Amino acid sequence: NAGVTQTPKFQVLKTGQSMTLQCAQDMNHEYMSWYRQDPGMGLRLIHYSVGAGITDQGEVPNGYNVSRSTTEDFPLRLLSAAPSQTSVYFCASSYEAGTQPQHFGDGTRLSIL
Amino acid sequence: DQQVKQNSPSLSVQEGRISILNCDYTNSMFDYFLWYKKYPAEGPTFLISISSIKDKNEDGRFTVFLNKSAKHLSLHIVPSQPGDSAVYFCAAKMTGGFKTIFGAGTRLFVKA
Repeated sequence: NAGVTQTPKFQVLKTGQSMTLQCAQDMNHEYMSWYRQDPGMGLRLIHYSVGAGITDQGEVPNGYNVSRSTTEDFPLRLLSAAPSQTSVYFCASSYEAGTQPQHFGDGTRLSIL
Repeated sequence: DQQVKQNSPSLSVQEGRISILNCDYTNSMFDYFLWYKKYPAEGPTFLISISSIKDKNEDGRFTVFLNKSAKHLSLHIVPSQPGDSAVYFCAAKMTGGFKTIFGAGTRLFVKA
């Protein structure tokens, strides 16, 4: 019963490099989202998806790209990493948008040098 | 402009006593509120929620109170246990939409 799985757990990048953070869920949830957590800022929504093939921007989308080709997977791409993107990234999923709580992965800690 | 504010970055409580975590919001369109708990190196996990049609919701040791006129909610933990030591996030949303706005979190320390 894996829930939401994020890989990698840790990553160090150099400025300008690109990479993809992976997120997979096995609960057949339609809604998936990416958040970043920074000290004193809480969790801020980067991008979200309401189903396969449908994505939309959250509060802080700049510098990130997403796609949703399957229900299970929702990768987050950093196009050209910047030190300001140093953060902890969480992927989450939920069955529906209304009152169902989100299930979170354990996060990816990303450092950009 | 933070729409959900948790003004206490940390709180320390003795085991067995009550923990009260507070949260304020500014957007009157929010009608559903959630609390999540987060341990180090883990993702947040859902704890308890409340709809704006209620002013109280209980689940075991955890009770959430909502004061709509003050745009304020609080989470009460009674009795507090050392295992409750974690970061607690308050979150708010409109049930007609998906986006959830999180507060900055309050770190709770429960001393044995």
